[in-house]
Amino acid sequence: DADVTQTPRNRITKTGKRIMLECSQTKGHDRMYWYRQDPGLGLRLIYYSFDVKDINKGEISDGYSVSRQAQAKFSLSLESAIPNQTALYFCATSDSGRSLNQPQHFGDGTRLSIL
Amino acid sequence: KQEVTQIPAALSVPEGENLVLNCSFTDSAIYNLQWFRQDPGKGLTSLLLIQSSQREQTSGRLNASLDKSSGRSTLYIAASQPGDSATYLCAVSNDYKLSFGAGTTVTVRA
Repeated sequence: DADVTQTPRNRITKTGKRIMLECSQTKGHDRMYWYRQDPGLGLRLIYYSFDVKDINKGEISDGYSVSRQAQAKFSLSLESAIPNQTALYFCATSDSGRSLNQPQHFGDGTRLSIL
Repeated sequence: KQEVTQIPAALSVPEGENLVLNCSFTDSAIYNLQWFRQDPGKGLTSLLLIQSSQREQTSGRLNASLDKSSGRSTLYIAASQPGDSATYLCAVSNDYKLSFGAGTTVTVRA
């Protein structure tokens, strides 16, 4: 089983619909992240959470919301989807540890298409 | 704001040739730099992490160097194989967050 699991893997939906992307992890990490990837732009940070009660906006949070239901679960919601939110979405985790040099571990991504 | 650039955007080489992938960043106050591999339809696999105090990191055929003062990192892949075909991303860490380059897509021809 994958350490970082994203569901669904693919989703096609219509403009205006509410969508939730889910992420769960078995790594025991306290930090979780949501990114989107667009062609030619690399990954950009949407939201991040350092623990269940600590949630922060990233560089492109407008139009998105998140929920950290438990240490292992971090969901991303699009309240009213629009076509320019079509992208590949990644969840990642990392361990706080005693070092700042903790790598991030990524799920396989959710490909979201909004018509 | 940290800006990360990867040049070239795409690269095609014959099997056996050494690969050199470049990454540059604008803010040298980084905690670390990571190189990732991304295969089509898959997530990101971490290849190497170089701490800000390190100059290089090696894993098998992969070697990554870091020159923080000039804002550059280079990933070397020795004796390339068709299985090395993928997109390679570099990412720098500032304040717990990663800033990514757009990636270099590598094709190794058999």
